[in-house]
Amino acid sequence: EVQLVESGGGLVKPGGSLRLSCAASGFIFSSCSMTWVRQSPGKGLEWVSSISSSGNFFYYADSVKGRFTVSRDNAKNSLYLQMNSLRVEDTAMYYCAREEVIGVGRNWFDLWGQGTPVTVSS
Amino acid sequence: DIQVTQSPSSLSASVGDRVTITCRTSQNIYNYLNWYQQKPGKAPKLLIFGAFSLHGGVPSRFSGSGYATEFTLTITSLQPEDFATYYCQESYHKAFGQGTKVEI
Repeated sequence: EVQLVESGGGLVKPGGSLRLSCAASGFIFSSCSMTWVRQSPGKGLEWVSSISSSGNFFYYADSVKGRFTVSRDNAKNSLYLQMNSLRVEDTAMYYCAREEVIGVGRNWFDLWGQGTPVTVSS
Repeated sequence: DIQVTQSPSSLSASVGDRVTITCRTSQNIYNYLNWYQQKPGKAPKLLIFGAFSLHGGVPSRFSGSGYATEFTLTITSLQPEDFATYYCQESYHKAFGQGTKVEI
C-alpha cells in the first residue's frame, strides 16, 4: 500500500527539542522529493520544509529556519524533521507529504500522511 | 513575500449547487497553482495541480482555471462528500491560502 506514516510527536516544553519521523512505503522513496507541512489548531496549512530526493538540497520556511533540520535516509525509506528551540507557536499537527517536482516552481504534494501532533507548552 | 488570498473564507451551499472559490496571488505565478481538499480530522488531499490538471481519482465535477494572479476552483453539482475546507497553494514559494470552508 502506498502510504506515509508519521511518528514522534508529543508534548514538549518551550526551548525543547523533538524529532519527527515519516515512514514511506509502496513507492520508490529514493526518487521522490519530500516535504513537511504543519497546521496549527483551527488554522490553515503552512509549508515548513522540503528536501530533494538525494537529500542534497533542502529548503525551509522563514519561521523555522535555523531551528528545524530536515533529513532523510533512503535506505530506510524514512524522512525526518529535527525540531530544536521549540516555541509555543510551533504547536501544530505536522504532516509529511510526497512532493512531485517537474521543474522550478512546478511542484505539488500528491500523497500525505495522517499527521503527528506536536504541542509546545510549559 | 508572495501573498495568497482566497475568497470567500466560508460559504453555505446545498447538494447540487455549483460552487466557485477564488484564489488571488500578489505576484504573477503563471499556472503554478494547486488546490487541496481537507475534511475535519483528516490530512489534505490533492485535487488539482498546475492550475487546471485534475489529480488521479478526483471526480470530474472539480475543475480549475486561471492564470497569472487569479484562479478559480469550481465544483459543479456539489455532492455530500464535498463539504470540506479547500486550500489553494502557489507552488513557487509553497505558500497556502487561508482556506475556504464549504458548509451545508
